[in-house]
This record gives sequence, structure tokens and C-alpha cells, in this order.
Amino acid sequence: QVQLQESGPGLVKPSQTLSLTCTVSGVSISSGSYYWSWIRQPAGKGLEWIGRIYTSGSTNYNPSLKSRVTVSVDTSKNQFSLKLSSVTAADTAVYYCARDLRSSYGYGYDYWGQGTLVTVSS
Amino acid sequence: EIVLTQSPGTLSLSPGERATLSCRAGQSVSSSYLAWYQQKPGQAPRLLIYGASSRATGIPDRFSGSGSGTDFTLTISRLEPEDFAVYYCQQYGSSLFGQGTKLEIK
Repeated sequence: QVQLQESGPGLVKPSQTLSLTCTVSGVSISSGSYYWSWIRQPAGKGLEWIGRIYTSGSTNYNPSLKSRVTVSVDTSKNQFSLKLSSVTAADTAVYYCARDLRSSYGYGYDYWGQGTLVTVSS
Repeated sequence: EIVLTQSPGTLSLSPGERATLSCRAGQSVSSSYLAWYQQKPGQAPRLLIYGASSRATGIPDRFSGSGSGTDFTLTISRLEPEDFAVYYCQQYGSSLFGQGTKLEIK
């Protein structure tokens, strides 16, 4: 069974860099044609896609966050990671990692981590 | 940029009733890229429908999706108590989500 688990600091100071890791189990992150994404959700608000990475290392980012985001993959640890620089209070949110479903029938995010709350505050 | 508008914002129904949720795109989108999610408080979203009409693994057949072009619909044929939640549509190509429809018990 595929499982994803986010980890990282729950509190980050303004102007610093938010760093999160998603550990994947039940499937090799380097097998198959999967993309792996980060998505966030401020309290009481909707969902915002941040970026994704392919097993080859190629990435796509949300244009509104592109200048501050880096997503990377460590296949040896079956993990992928998110770095978001120069954070402000507006970056306070629950951060989810997810697997992209890409099939001949359609696309979506079929497996999600439970989410981790990151608060930006001094 | 594609904008997704969900309606209604809140839908109040009783168990056993039929729910119809709408997702309208600002321009035509590929049906392959249209997905629906269910989110309950404190939980991650769950994929219900992808490719506009394909049910994800383990999703009951009371959930169905339809539509094409700019208008898409999620239908829950007969509401169960566990179906009351927030529902989001998503256009995968632009990775944009709609603002959500809250389905509440009447």
C-alpha cells in the first residue's frame, strides 16, 4: 500500500527557508512513470499546488511561487523534498505531499500524505 | 489562466437525497485533466473522480462525474452521512483547484 509522510519543522521564522521532506513507502519513487507533488492549504482556505518532480529530476512549479521554490528527489531514501525561501506569514499552511496519477483515463493526485502544519512566525 | 468556479458555495441536503455539484472553467479544458476531491475536517483530500468521469480506486458508485468543455458536474446519487464534506474540482493541466463546495447536513 502506497503511503506518504511529510516531516519537517512546524515553525519557521519570517525570511527564512521552509524545508519539508516526504517519505514514500509501498512503492519505489524511481519506478514507474510517477510525478510527485507538493500542495498546501492555509487554514480555512482552498488548495494550492506548489510544484512537482519526476523521478528523472525534472520539475514544474506554480508560476506564483516559482522564484522561491525548489523540489528535489532522493531516490536512495525514497524521498522528495520541498524548499520555500523567504517565507512570510502568508506561507503559513498545512503542506501536503501527493503522488500524481497519470493514466490513459485521466490525471489527479491519488495518494496524499496526512499533511503537516507549518507556521511562519518570529 | 484557467479559473475554476464551483457552485454552490454551500449545499444543504439530507441523507438519502441527490447532490449535484458544479465546476465551471473560464475556458475549455480537456476532460482528462478534470478531477474531483473530497475533504473532511483535519484530513487530506481524497481523489474521487479523475478524467472527469472515472472513479478512483475504492470510491463507491454513488459518486459519478460528467461534463466536458467548460462545465463539469459531480453527482452523489444518494447521500450517506459520511458524504458531508467539502468538495474540490481541479484542472490538472494548470494545477488549479476550485474554491470548494461545502456539502452540509440540512
